[in-house]
Amino acid sequence: SQKIEQNSEALNIQEGKTATLTCNYTNYSPAYLQWYRQDPGRGPVFLLLIRENEKEKRKERLKVTFDTTLKQSLFHITASQPADSATYLCALMNNNAGNMLTFGGGTRLMVKP
Amino acid sequence: DSGVTQTPKHLITATGQRVTLRCSPRSGDLSVYWYQQSLDQGLQFLIQYYNGEERAKGNILERFSAQQFPDLHSELNLSSLELGDSALYFCASSPRQGSAYEQYFGPGTRLTVT
Repeated sequence: SQKIEQNSEALNIQEGKTATLTCNYTNYSPAYLQWYRQDPGRGPVFLLLIRENEKEKRKERLKVTFDTTLKQSLFHITASQPADSATYLCALMNNNAGNMLTFGGGTRLMVKP
Repeated sequence: DSGVTQTPKHLITATGQRVTLRCSPRSGDLSVYWYQQSLDQGLQFLIQYYNGEERAKGNILERFSAQQFPDLHSELNLSSLELGDSALYFCASSPRQGSAYEQYFGPGTRLTVT
């Protein structure tokens, strides 16, 4: 069956360090992978999209990698700040499924000052 | 602010009742998506509309239905409500039907079924 796995345990890091979150998937052939940020009680906010033929994408302090051989995406936040504390969701879009986004369970990031 | 609006923000109703959730997409966006988020299930895709037509269905119950109107706003109808339907319901929109487009989520409607 298809699965998207993100570490369900919270990730606690110190301010200024790099946070690395993992998204693993099985039985998908995603054309695109997206990362979203969600704060409690609010809607997810789009952060980055990476295509299957791209290895890496950057936006300010954010970096995403996409390894279709390993079936894994890594999401990095450099120089993390307490304001980065949130839940981060990865989502796969399969072109054969009507552009439906399937979300992982999310990883909660806590950045301590 | 994503530009997607949802009403109402909160809804409390009893089991067996029917409710309608409303969504207005961002100006110019033709695709509307509905999601359900509960604590134990995470964010689950329900249904997608593009320019008034249904385009994709997820794990949407038969008691739930949706439509997109000519002005592109959408409504999600939930009937014969059960306690387990209590959740956050999000609407999202994107410019066109293409998997390269990110989705913009509304603030959600929190439904509580008592």
